[in-house]
Order: sequence, then structure tokens, then C-alpha cells
Amino acid sequence: QQQVKQSPQSLIVQKGGISIINCAYENTAFDYFPWYQQFPGKGPALLIAIRPDVSEKKEGRFTISFNKSAKQFSLHIMDSQPGDSATYFCAARRLGGATNKLIFGTGTLLAVQP
Amino acid sequence: DTEVTQTPKHLVMGMTNKKSLKCEQHMGHRAMYWYKQKAKKPPELMFVYSYEKLSINESVPSRFSPECPNSSLLNLHLHALQPEDSALYLCASSQDLSGATQYFGPGTRLLVL
Repeated sequence: QQQVKQSPQSLIVQKGGISIINCAYENTAFDYFPWYQQFPGKGPALLIAIRPDVSEKKEGRFTISFNKSAKQFSLHIMDSQPGDSATYFCAARRLGGATNKLIFGTGTLLAVQP
Repeated sequence: DTEVTQTPKHLVMGMTNKKSLKCEQHMGHRAMYWYKQKAKKPPELMFVYSYEKLSINESVPSRFSPECPNSSLLNLHLHALQPEDSALYLCASSQDLSGATQYFGPGTRLLVL
């Protein structure tokens, strides 16, 4: 119940295309869903996050879509660029609980080809 | 300034050595974290400090010993590590325990021989 399932494991997209990464969870107590971007040799950096009271959040080329009833959320990268090539982790957190852990998905290695 | 710094960037140590990893943040955050990340895997939480007190220990072996000397600093003392402990060690901080946004440092790449 504490897991966050992420797919695909790896993704190759052409420059200018749309990258889509999906995550699913079981625990209904999760109520904050961030996405992290990690470049090789660097720590993860918060990219965008959503709470379940909204169905979509957009920041520039990055959009999170959230389906509360299906317990799924996804990251869409529009007009993907080679500089977007990185590993992306979705995560979930239970706010207000005694344990403030981020539960990470398994990660998606994105390669954007020029 | 949303920066978390970590030193050293790389560390090679033998199984009998004692070494320390250092993490620093000047964002006024009151929660600090240690994570371990193996290649192609997500970060795994090790310890959480809140207001300089250990809040969470994820059943980490005693050869890893965290320390929070003050609100800006977090150390991880290493002793008698095993080769399987080789990984990227990440430090993170958040405003407080209820703050979901965690800022990660660049990590220390540790190799245990």
C-alpha cells in the first residue's frame, strides 16, 4: 500500500515530441504528489507537484494530470528537448502524518533524441 | 538561496576506515534528511532530523551514524562499511516536517573497497 508504481522504465522521444510518464498508487492517504528530475551525477530536483484537489497543473512545458478516482497521475513534457534527458521520479507523500516520508516511484530514464 | 551543499563530492574508503559526510543548508529549514541511492534506483530514506532531533531512523545499520550539530548542518559518520554500501548519499532539507517540498544536495559518491 506504500508503493508508487511508475512506468515506463525508459522512454525515447524525438525532439519536439511529447513525453508521458505514468504513476499509480494504492494508499488513499497520499495527498501530495511531486515529480523530481535527476541528471547524472546530481541530486533530484523538484520539477512540479500537485495536490489531489486539482486535476491538472501546468508549469511551462511540464503538466501533471491527476485522476483521483483511478489513483493515477502522469507527467507530460511538451515539446521535449535534448536538455530534458534525465531520470524522472514520481513520488507521493502523506501530509500531516507522523511519518513524513516521500515514497518514490522506480524512475523513468528519458532520452530525447535531437 | 535554495541550495543544499554536500562534501566531499567523492569518497573512497576501506572497510576499516572512519569517514564523515557533511551537508549544509542556509535556507532556515528545520527538517533534514539522509538518503541512499543506488544506480538506476530511487532514493531510499535513511534518517530524518527535525529541529535537530532524530525523528526517523529507517532501520539503518549502526555503521551509519547521523549527527545534527545545529540547524544548518547534518553529518553522516561512516565506520566499518561494506562494499554493498557503495552508493550516492544524498542530503535533503525541507522547511519543516510538514513541508512536502524537499531540496536535495548533489550527493556524495561513496565507494567502499
